[in-house]
Amino acid sequence: AQSVSQHNHHVILSEAASLELGCNYSYGGTVNLFWYVQYPGQHLQLLLKYFSGDPLVKGIKGFEAEFIKSKFSFNLRKPSVQWSDTAEYFCAVQTGANNLFFGTGTRLTVIP
Amino acid sequence: DAGVIQSPRHEVTEMGQEVTLRCKPISGHDYLFWYRQTMMRGLELLIYFNNNVPIDDSGMPEDRFSAKMPNASFSTLKIQPSEPRDSAVYFCASSLRRAGGQPQHFGDGTRLSIL
Repeated sequence: AQSVSQHNHHVILSEAASLELGCNYSYGGTVNLFWYVQYPGQHLQLLLKYFSGDPLVKGIKGFEAEFIKSKFSFNLRKPSVQWSDTAEYFCAVQTGANNLFFGTGTRLTVIP
Repeated sequence: DAGVIQSPRHEVTEMGQEVTLRCKPISGHDYLFWYRQTMMRGLELLIYFNNNVPIDDSGMPEDRFSAKMPNASFSTLKIQPSEPRDSAVYFCASSLRRAGGQPQHFGDGTRLSIL
């Protein structure tokens, strides 16, 4: 069965620190990959997506993610976080069907 | 552009009562998904529809849960009878047809509290 692992449950950073959130999935076929962000009390919003092509994808608000097929990974990065990035971040994998498999989420707290 | 619209935003009711959650997908989207989010279990897919037809309901927890999509612009998730363990945030999402790996667009959710 497909699964998505986000190993960091809670990350605490100071403003301007660099961020990397891990995401690994288990599925041997073609996948589409997503990162969603959920700000406190809000719904999930799409941060970035990978379908094909350049494995380094850039999203909104300075976020980027790199797809490494050999490692089944799609880690999220941001060079310098801001207090407003405090949120929960979900990695999701889409396989042959149209549904998404979500990771358990990583809570990011940025300290001003 | 209107996004996915869910109602109500909050629902508080006593156990044993029937609860109906509503969702209006983005116009033109032909996939609709219902999710449940809890601290313990994270985001769980309950059921999804394609062109108003339920495709996979394996995530529906038990017979107390049912979902319908009578037309392309409306879906309901019903819990009868409700129990305290059903307390969660329920999200509806919609997307375009599967080709090209379309992202899902989420509604604001319904925060359900069963007392």
